[in-house]
Amino acid sequence: KAGVTQTPRYLIKTRGQQVTLSCSPISGHRSVSWYQQTPGQGLQFLFEYFSETQRNKGNFPGRFSGRQFSNSRSEMNVSTLELGDSALYLCASSLGGAGNEQFFGPGTRLTVL
Amino acid sequence: GIQVEQSPPDLILQEGANSTLRCNFSDSVNNLQWFHQNPWGQLINLFYIPSGTKQNGRLSATTVATERYSLLYISSSQTTDSGVYFCAVLLNAGNMLTFGGGTRLMVKP
Repeated sequence: KAGVTQTPRYLIKTRGQQVTLSCSPISGHRSVSWYQQTPGQGLQFLFEYFSETQRNKGNFPGRFSGRQFSNSRSEMNVSTLELGDSALYLCASSLGGAGNEQFFGPGTRLTVL
Repeated sequence: GIQVEQSPPDLILQEGANSTLRCNFSDSVNNLQWFHQNPWGQLINLFYIPSGTKQNGRLSATTVATERYSLLYISSSQTTDSGVYFCAVLLNAGNMLTFGGGTRLMVKP
């Protein structure tokens, strides 16, 4: 069974631009969660989508948004990029029940110049 | 919110040595996972362990949910074990993982 895939793997943007990251979950998984990892803040939860609906949301500004499609693939968008948005963005998939094991993709490393 | 603390933050071992990594959490959790982050950043699943003990090769883990801690044991360490180890907990509602700060392990040949 194929694992979680994320595209692109690396991205360089400038301040003020916007970016869209994509995540394809493991086949049969209906929940997709997004996390941001920075050296200063560690790994932080952004949001979770299940059946095309945002089910949980972390403490991030509204510039961070996401969506999920009917095939469970998810996209995350960051508008008006700031230098502090430079991070590794990780996507995780799970079956969707509360407490299910989560499996992570390889991540997208975003650099904002 | 829930607090997850890992210790030690850094660990240097000689190849062949054993080690114990600890994860303390401040509230009741629905589940707990241990991950190894490889040099390219991907989180590799090690254990999904809400309670009890599990073993996988040289690695084993024990979670004592009533006392709110989990331990990861690495025996006969190898240089390929180097990297950062994270524990993460799931609260009783939802699928939001809260991560500890990690233990950075370096195994020297």
